[in-house]
Amino acid sequence: QQQVKQSPQSLIVQKGGISIINCAYENTAFDYFPWYQQFPGKGPALLIAIRPDVSEKKEGRFTISFNKSAKQFSLHIMDSQPGDSATYFCAASMRDSSYKLIFGSGTRLLVRP
Amino acid sequence: DAGVTQSPTHLIKTRGQQVTLRCSPKSGHDTVSWYQQALGQGPQFIFQYYEEEERQRGNFPDRFSGHQFPNYSSELNVNALLLGDSALYLCASSFRGFVSEAFFGQGTRLTVV
Repeated sequence: QQQVKQSPQSLIVQKGGISIINCAYENTAFDYFPWYQQFPGKGPALLIAIRPDVSEKKEGRFTISFNKSAKQFSLHIMDSQPGDSATYFCAASMRDSSYKLIFGSGTRLLVRP
Repeated sequence: DAGVTQSPTHLIKTRGQQVTLRCSPKSGHDTVSWYQQALGQGPQFIFQYYEEEERQRGNFPDRFSGHQFPNYSSELNVNALLLGDSALYLCASSFRGFVSEAFFGQGTRLTVV
């Protein structure tokens, strides 16, 4: 019940295309869903996050879509650029009763020029 | 602002040895969490230190221990190293442990041979 399942494992997109990464969770107590971006040799960096009281959040080219009934959320990267090539992790947490982030297994994104 | 600083960057140890990893939190942060990231996997929560005490622990054996100092910096100790302990060890700092403010360091790459 503590798992967060992420797909796909890897993704290749042409420059200018849309990258879509999906995550699913079981624990309905989760109330905080962030996405992290990690470049090789670096730690994860917070990209965008959402709480279950909204269905969508957009920041620049990055959008989170959240489906509470299906217990799924996804990251959409519009107009994907080669500089977006990185590993992306979804995560979940119970913000007010837990101090840990539970991460998905990651998606390696490659954006071709 | 230097962000979260971890040392050393890389480390090679022999099976059975002990290792100490260090973390200095971001300015203004008082909580340190440690995560283990195996190759090709998402980070897994080891434990969190707040007010110099372990506040929450993940599913890791007692070989993993930690400490937090009055200046909020932290150490992660791993005893009796196993080959399976080879991973990137990430430190994340935050204010009062709020995951929404977690800021990750670049990690320490530990290789056990």
